[in-house]
Amino acid sequence: GESVGLHLPTLSVQEGDNSIINCAYSNSASDYFIWYKQESGKGPQFIIDIRSNMDKRQGQRVTVLLNKTVKHLSLQIAATQPGDSAVYFCAETSGNEKLTFGTGTRLTIIP
Amino acid sequence: DTGVSQDPRHKITKRGQNVTFRCDPISEHNRLYWYRQTLGQGPEFLTYFQNEAQLEKSRLLSDRFSAERPKGSFSTLEIQRTEQGDSAMYLCASSSPGSDGRPLHFGNGTRLTVT
Repeated sequence: GESVGLHLPTLSVQEGDNSIINCAYSNSASDYFIWYKQESGKGPQFIIDIRSNMDKRQGQRVTVLLNKTVKHLSLQIAATQPGDSAVYFCAETSGNEKLTFGTGTRLTIIP
Repeated sequence: DTGVSQDPRHKITKRGQNVTFRCDPISEHNRLYWYRQTLGQGPEFLTYFQNEAQLEKSRLLSDRFSAERPKGSFSTLEIQRTEQGDSAMYLCASSSPGSDGRPLHFGNGTRLTVT
C-alpha cells in the first residue's frame, strides 16, 4: 500500500499502553482545533475537536488537551489497539474556512 | 455509504494532459472543500464552496486549476496541462451548515501521478 508520510515524526507504543501525540501551533488567533487520523491510502478521518474556550475534551478512548498559553495541543489515546496505527494530524483554523494542518505523527502500535 | 465520495481513486496521466476529478459530498452538507496532499505533508487548502459559490481560492490554485460546483451538489476539479509537480493526493471534504462549518469530513482522495 502507499505511504502517507515517509519522514514523519514517529511514535511506537506497546499495545494496551496509552499514547500521547503532541502538536504545536503558531497562530494565537486560532480558535478551533481538530485531530485527524489517516490510514494508508485513505483520507483523514475526524477523531475529536476542541474550541479555544475549552482546555480539555474527552471522547471514546481519546482526550484532547489545549494549552493556549504555550500554543500546544495534545491527543491522548488510551489502551491503544493495533487499529490505532496511523498518521495523526492536528489542524487549526482562526474563524475562517481554511484548516491549516500540521506535519503529522506516525503512530505504530506494537503487538 | 453516506460519506464523501471521490472518483477516480487513482489517475495516471502524461505531462501536458488535462484531468478532471469528481467529488460527491455528504448529501446535506452545503460546504465543499478541495485540499491537496503530497507525501510526508499534511493536506493543504485549495478552495471551498458554499452551495454553488466558490468563496475562497488558495494561491496554490494556479490558472491551470479550475473547480466548479454548478448545482451546489457534486464538484469537479480540473487540472489543465498537467505538470509532474501536480502529482499528489487530491482530497475533497464537506461540512454541515449547522455546525459552523466544522468539522470537515474527508473523502479517500484521488491519487494523481503525472509521468
